[in-house]
Amino acid sequence: EVQLVESGGGLVQPGGTLRLSCSASGFTFSGYAMNWVRQAPGKGLEYVSDISVNGGSTYYADSVKGRFTISRDNSKNTLYLQMSSLRTEDMAVYYCVKRGGWYNFDYWGQGTLVTVSS
Amino acid sequence: QTVVTQEPSFSVSPGGTVTLTCGLSSVSVSTSYYPSWYQQTPGQAPRTLIYNTDTRSSGVPDRFSGSILGNKAALTITGAQTDDESIYYCVLYMGSGSWVFGGGTKLTVL
Repeated sequence: EVQLVESGGGLVQPGGTLRLSCSASGFTFSGYAMNWVRQAPGKGLEYVSDISVNGGSTYYADSVKGRFTISRDNSKNTLYLQMSSLRTEDMAVYYCVKRGGWYNFDYWGQGTLVTVSS
Repeated sequence: QTVVTQEPSFSVSPGGTVTLTCGLSSVSVSTSYYPSWYQQTPGQAPRTLIYNTDTRSSGVPDRFSGSILGNKAALTITGAQTDDESIYYCVLYMGSGSWVFGGGTKLTVL
């Protein structure tokens, strides 16, 4: 059974930093691209970032480019999202998502809440 | 800025059929955008329903189907059940590691 468990969310001040982690199990982590998708309170889903199987290629939504960094450690079956210069508009539930083989989002974690407030 | 459009809300009677659509502001949606559909109930993570236009994800009932209808991607629910009351999101792959979600359709079954 595929399991994705996010952690690292919490309260941070504007301009602060936070690192999210996603522990993956139930599949060959190193064989799949991975993503972060977020959802602001009461809002829709927003694509955040994508990383290739070996971490060699990374992509970001324009809204986070230059502030967020996605990475992975295949030896630890873990996905990361380093977030810096956080803004109030970054406040959201962040979902770790396993990519499918057809440019789709396959399995979703339960999410971790990031609150940006002074 | 690319905008993916979805109906904000839709209503269907139990047992009825409903088609939700997913469009682009200036061009037609085709299979090249690999449209996929996700279902989300309040407080829960999204669940994958359809990917690659019309492929059902594992465990998804066959009353859910995906297609291209005219210039939009479409999700059809045939024989709607009360459990189908959710928000449905489509997403399109724009290339170069970029996806755009639609704003979601809130489906009411009553």
